[in-house]
Amino acid sequence: KAGVTQTPRYLIKTRGQQVTLSCSPISGHRSVSWYQQTPGQGLQFLFEYFSETQRNKGNFPGRFSGRQFSNSRSEMNVSTLELGDSALYLCASSLGRGSHMIGDTQYFGPGTRLTVL
Amino acid sequence: ELKVEQNPLFLSMQEGKNYTIYCNYSTTSDRLYWYRQDPGKSLESLFVLLSNGAVKQEGRLMASLDTKARLSTLHITAAVHDLSATYFCAVDLSYNTDKLIFGTGTRLQVFP
Repeated sequence: KAGVTQTPRYLIKTRGQQVTLSCSPISGHRSVSWYQQTPGQGLQFLFEYFSETQRNKGNFPGRFSGRQFSNSRSEMNVSTLELGDSALYLCASSLGRGSHMIGDTQYFGPGTRLTVL
Repeated sequence: ELKVEQNPLFLSMQEGKNYTIYCNYSTTSDRLYWYRQDPGKSLESLFVLLSNGAVKQEGRLMASLDTKARLSTLHITAAVHDLSATYFCAVDLSYNTDKLIFGTGTRLQVFP
């Protein structure tokens, strides 16, 4: 069973540009979550999608947005990039609603390392 | 707001020794997760703890959950170099969402 895939793996952008990151969940998983990891702030929740609907959003500015498609694939977009947006962006998938009761967990992809110059 | 604290932040231990990593969280939750991250890599799921008193073991790692104390522990038995990594605990608040709040992480280094 293939794991969570993320593209691209590495990205270099300049301030003011925008970027789109892609995530393909494990087959059959309907929930996709995004996290930002930086040395200073650690792992922070960005947002979560389930059946094409955003269920939760973290404390990030509106420059950060996302969406989910009918095949559960998800994209996140960051507009007007700032230096502080440099981070590892991790996508995670799970079965979704109620899956915790059967001991499911979130499975993380390899991440996209974004560098903003 | 839910806060998750881990200690210690850094742990350097000799092979063969035992040690425990602690994870405290500030709001009631019945679900706690432990993940491992190797340098430059993604997160690997280690344990899912779903109820008070839950204990799970895999190899030299054992995790437990005390929801009344809002405390989880990750115990390392007879450490080996391959266990060197950063360990995160994470908590979520709702059965219906996948919003995880992560701890600060514990960087473990095992030396001969």
